[in-house]
Amino acid sequence: DAKTTQPPSMDCAEGRAANLPCNHSTISGNEYVYWYRQIHSQGPQYIIHGLKNNETNEMASLIITEDRKSSTLILPHATLRDTAVYYCIVRVITQGGSEKLVFGKGMKLTVNP
Amino acid sequence: DGGITQSPKYLFRKEGQNVTLSCEQNLNHDAMYWYRQDPGQGLRLIYYSQIVNDFQKGDIAEGYSVSREKKESFPLTVTSAQKNPTAFYLCASSLPIHRGNQPQHFGDGTRLSIL
Repeated sequence: DAKTTQPPSMDCAEGRAANLPCNHSTISGNEYVYWYRQIHSQGPQYIIHGLKNNETNEMASLIITEDRKSSTLILPHATLRDTAVYYCIVRVITQGGSEKLVFGKGMKLTVNP
Repeated sequence: DGGITQSPKYLFRKEGQNVTLSCEQNLNHDAMYWYRQDPGQGLRLIYYSQIVNDFQKGDIAEGYSVSREKKESFPLTVTSAQKNPTAFYLCASSLPIHRGNQPQHFGDGTRLSIL
């Protein structure tokens, strides 16, 4: 029951911007969008998160549409080391006040030289 | 450096045996989580704990057990009742929600295989 939809894969040229799309049309008003990435056989690495405003940090930018039904992760200058599976995740708050990350299958980004 | 340590990295189990996976964190996080990942799939939540001596079942808790006797430690036992235990197991930790929307930090996982 993943709450996000991503294309299964995407290619990008080294040095170019990588724009990774995500649909989350059933997101609730208090649910955050988180992005993680995972390199094979390692734990997921946090990238960025947001609620409704655009966000930027040293790794990436996150653009969330005004209706919050979709978002785009932007890696401004992709490198070969950015090749990974990227997960767009909705953070759900349980009835007990705990948080729960709902993972989908993610999207494989391949950065080509 | 602060972080999450999972051990061992690879683990083999015979049919019918229980096995315990270790997860230790020195981030002073209150919340800890266990996830399971199957090939080509996302992560699924097994158990989580918001505070010492308290834990809740996640989406796929059957065949697993946990304990939270110390803030730093959240071991996961894969019991013989888990019929398909071969998977990649990931532990995570985070600050509680009321201390801001901080992300979960993950360890590097334990890969469990059945002999």
